[in-house]
Amino acid sequence: DGGITQSPKYLFRKEGQNVTLSCEQNLNHDAMYWYRQDPGQGLRLIYYSQIVNDFQKGDIAEGYSVSREKKESFPLTVTSAQKNPTAFYLCASARQGKTVNSPLHFGNGTRLTVT
Amino acid sequence: AQKITQTQPGMFVQEKEAVTLDCTYDTSDQSYGLFWYKQPSSGEMIFLIYQGSYDEQNATEGRYSLNFQKARKSANLVISASQLGDSAMYFCAMRSGRGSGNTPLVFGKGTRLSVIA
Repeated sequence: DGGITQSPKYLFRKEGQNVTLSCEQNLNHDAMYWYRQDPGQGLRLIYYSQIVNDFQKGDIAEGYSVSREKKESFPLTVTSAQKNPTAFYLCASARQGKTVNSPLHFGNGTRLTVT
Repeated sequence: AQKITQTQPGMFVQEKEAVTLDCTYDTSDQSYGLFWYKQPSSGEMIFLIYQGSYDEQNATEGRYSLNFQKARKSANLVISASQLGDSAMYFCAMRSGRGSGNTPLVFGKGTRLSVIA
């Protein structure tokens, strides 16, 4: 079955350490996205990529970095510069299209706790 | 700029009753799409229903329907015959602009629905 895999489901890190969250999709989608979810805040966009080797900053990119070397993979690194990294992180993908009707398909998320 | 507003942080509904979750949006584009997602306590985001700005009829998907009022810029989700499994967070989202096929969605803050037996 096609889908998006995020790993691990739970991640614990000490403050000051960088950590990389994995996101892999086998849907053959061109676009991939990272969102952060905090209680009462909804989903906020961190980074997105519409094609391989290209990505754009979202609303809250500070303290995060990404790469898109392969179509299937879009890892997110939470750096020590991110002031408040504890959150639920959701990865999504969407097929290529010129119309607005393409929904995002989401992974099951990674819950990151930094102490 | 695009913006989604969901004014109901939480809602309660009796099992088998219908419930409406509110969503208003703001965009200057004529071409846009509106989406609703369900997020159970497990965390995954489940796509429920889509409405395009040029669609003349309200979208329906099983027990879900979208009450689209373009002049009011509202896209309320109606869930009929509520079930206990409908208890979840519900998010309204939007993408706007011609040729914006795979640009990100902008999300509202969500409404937590609790279905009571």
